[in-house]
Amino acid sequence: DGGITQSPKYLFRKEGQNVTLSCEQNLNHDAMYWYRQDPGQGLRLIYYSQIVNDFQKGDIAEGYSVSREKKESFPLTVTSAQKNPTAFYLCASSIDRGNTEAFFGQGTRLTVV
Amino acid sequence: KQEVTQIPAALSVPEGENLVLNCSFTDSAIYNLQWFRQDPGKGLTSLLLIQSSQREQTSGRLNASLDKSSGRSTLYIAASQPGDSATYLCAVHSNYQLIWGAGTKLIIKP
Repeated sequence: DGGITQSPKYLFRKEGQNVTLSCEQNLNHDAMYWYRQDPGQGLRLIYYSQIVNDFQKGDIAEGYSVSREKKESFPLTVTSAQKNPTAFYLCASSIDRGNTEAFFGQGTRLTVV
Repeated sequence: KQEVTQIPAALSVPEGENLVLNCSFTDSAIYNLQWFRQDPGKGLTSLLLIQSSQREQTSGRLNASLDKSSGRSTLYIAASQPGDSATYLCAVHSNYQLIWGAGTKLIIKP
């Protein structure tokens, strides 16, 4: 089945820890995205990548980092510099960045304990 | 700056009713508009994508319309069912970005 797989579904982080969220797609899409969702707000873009070995900051990149070493994979690291990381994180992909249809994974809920 | 608004934030209707969800945007220079469904604690499922040159798209009981000049899109759900209960999000493709509304939480009462 083609799609986007995010793991884990739930993640708990202690204060001061870095954690990495996984996102894998087998849709052969060039563009991949990370969004953060908070209650009552629209999705906010953290980072996006148009092609392997390239990525750009979105609206709220501070405290986050990404890599794009393979077309299929776009992991997101939430660093200790992110002061309010508790949120629902969504990964998406599209054929390219050119305003094409976006498809989403099932999300990872990150909680600081 | 493009802004997307969805009103109401929540809506509760009896099963079987037809209903309309609204999405408005401030800048008519869009490439397309996409409607999504999100179940609690889940990711987003794409429902309909309307290109800027189109007026509407249909999928089963769903019909989405687009009026760029007035900055509005509507999602029409016919013969609503309890399984339609979810949060519905619209997003506008503008300047190679997706700009999101905050969503409408829909509850269909049996």
